[in-house]
Amino acid sequence: GENVEQHPSTLSVQEGDSAVIKCTYSDSASNYFPWYKQELGKRPQLIIDIRSNVGEKKDQRIAVTLNKTAKHFSLHITETQPEDSAVYFCAASRGQNFVFGPGTRLSVLP
Amino acid sequence: DTGVSQNPRHKITKRGQNVTFRCDPISEHNRLYWYRQTLGQGPEFLTYFQNEAQLEKSRLLSDRFSAERPKGSFSTLEIQRTEQGDSAMYLCASSSRGGDEKLFFGSGTQLSVL
Repeated sequence: GENVEQHPSTLSVQEGDSAVIKCTYSDSASNYFPWYKQELGKRPQLIIDIRSNVGEKKDQRIAVTLNKTAKHFSLHITETQPEDSAVYFCAASRGQNFVFGPGTRLSVLP
Repeated sequence: DTGVSQNPRHKITKRGQNVTFRCDPISEHNRLYWYRQTLGQGPEFLTYFQNEAQLEKSRLLSDRFSAERPKGSFSTLEIQRTEQGDSAMYLCASSSRGGDEKLFFGSGTQLSVL
């Protein structure tokens, strides 16, 4: 079955700097890759997603890139703000089940 | 509120008791998922429904766990003879089939087994 790895497990950046989180997946049939943000005690919330027919997608300060050949995808957050502090999860799906990575705890220091 | 709704938000039970959780998905979504999340971990897949049919169940899911979605709308997750290791956040999520498969989560039910 699908296996998703995520790095780093924790990340601290200064406010205004960029943050990058990387995920790898094992199932070449996976074709949909969402990213979720989870604040303490709250539900995971979808922040951006990408499909396998696209190499990059951007939404304001957030972007995701996908390398199908290498089977990895990354989340890029620019101009980080304290409210970006949360746990971020990547996931991979091939149309039915979603497999999640273990998460990255991002801390944005003021 | 048109989001995914879960009840109860918190459940404290004694070891050996049975518990049942409910999930109401977004109304137009025909896919419903149950996940379990422990502190510091990502959501772990438990089971998935398309309409009323349970299409996939995790190999890790004990026989003490059972889920239903009798009319293809709300779903229940029952845990029989609870164990301390069952303590976790149980998340429900829903999505629509065909094209837009975005997954939306409920707020979860936090289970504590004493």
